[in-house]
Amino acid sequence: QLQLQESGPGLVKPSETLSLTCTVSGGSISSSSYYWGWIRQPPGKGLEWIGSIYYSGSTYYKPSLKSRVTISVDTSKNQFSLKLSSMTAADTAVYYCGRQMKRWGQSGSYGDASDIWGQGTMVTVSS
Amino acid sequence: QSALTQPASVSGSPGQSITISCIGTSSDVGGYNYVSWYQQHPGKAPKLMIYDVSNRPSGVSNRFSGSKSGNTASLTISGLQADDEADYHCSSYASSSTLVFGGGTKVTVL
Repeated sequence: QLQLQESGPGLVKPSETLSLTCTVSGGSISSSSYYWGWIRQPPGKGLEWIGSIYYSGSTYYKPSLKSRVTISVDTSKNQFSLKLSSMTAADTAVYYCGRQMKRWGQSGSYGDASDIWGQGTMVTVSS
Repeated sequence: QSALTQPASVSGSPGQSITISCIGTSSDVGGYNYVSWYQQHPGKAPKLMIYDVSNRPSGVSNRFSGSKSGNTASLTISGLQADDEADYHCSSYASSSTLVFGGGTKVTVL
């Protein structure tokens, strides 16, 4: 069965760039039926969608994070990655990667509900 | 793009039914039939319980049901069980290929 696993540093200094990778196993990231997304959850708070990517490289980001976020995909490694720049304490959170159902809208396709999630990785921003 | 509004907490006794609301706008919940609900136990990753307003993924109990009226989506849990005690999060498509989540609701089984 398909599994996702996040990897990356647990501690990032303020102003630095966070780099996380999600490795997909038990299935192909190049499926035409899914998008792949990043979602985070600050301690004690709700979930926040960060962005999504299709295996072709098409990306969508949360507008308020767009200037700091880059999501990329490496189909040869069955991985997708998140880069979040200019980190501050407000970015401290558990970061999840997930497989998202592909949907069609007026402006094309996009990722919707996440039916498979990674276990999450805690990222703390501190000097 | 504002977060969807959920009650902070909802409680019920075993066997009872409870309903969690998720209030949005015509730009998200009210404008599209793409509302999802997730269950999250402490320290665990969220689990998809409902998608497309009222569809259950394979393996999810039929005690969980979803609906929508106008700008408000709802998740109903019937025959409440101890293991249903968890946080529940709603999400919705919000135009321009973006998603928005609610703040989460803590369900307590009395």
